[in-house]
Amino acid sequence: AQKVTQAQTEISVVEKEDVTLDCVYETRDTTYYLFWYKQPPSGELVFLIRRNSFDEQNEISGRYSWNFQKSTSSFNFTITASQVVDSAVYFCALSEALENGNKLVFGAGTILRVKS
Amino acid sequence: DAGVTQSPTHLIKTRGQHVTLRCSPISGHKSVSWYQQVLGQGPQFIFQYYEKEERGRGNFPDRFSARQFPNYSSELNVNALLLGDSALYLCASSQYGQGETQYFGPGTRLLVL
Repeated sequence: AQKVTQAQTEISVVEKEDVTLDCVYETRDTTYYLFWYKQPPSGELVFLIRRNSFDEQNEISGRYSWNFQKSTSSFNFTITASQVVDSAVYFCALSEALENGNKLVFGAGTILRVKS
Repeated sequence: DAGVTQSPTHLIKTRGQHVTLRCSPISGHKSVSWYQQVLGQGPQFIFQYYEKEERGRGNFPDRFSARQFPNYSSELNVNALLLGDSALYLCASSQYGQGETQYFGPGTRLLVL
């Protein structure tokens, strides 16, 4: 079965510090998809990025960047120059194929607290 | 365009009661999935529906059921509520297919007393 591990339960940083959130996954599929979502205190999961297993290029979007390494089964997320508004719970997820559909398997999440 | 909408936003029930949660997907999305998120944990998959048919079911008891309507909206029903059913229930909509991005609604917070 698929599994996603986010070993960091909680991280606290001071504004403007860089922070990296770790994600390690397990899958037997050769084709798979990885996601990151942000969950602010309001509760809604906000989609950040989707990456398929054939695309190992790192991606940068503003202050956000993602490092995908198949060799270590990791998909880490870095926030550069963190801001208070980045405070949230961040989830890494893996898409798992079902017989007739698919589902997301989530990690336990990492709570990020950015202090001013 | 409107995102995924869910109703109600909050709900308080007592043990043994029944609850119905509703979800409207993003326009053009035909697949709806339901997840349960207990406090302090990641979301857990409950159901996926596409074209009114169940396409996947997570490890939840038969007290949980769902359906999808011709307009692709969906309902999640939970019978004989238990205290442990207290959670945030999230609905996600997507195009149908492996790896399609699921977009989540604001959720319904259910408290069972």
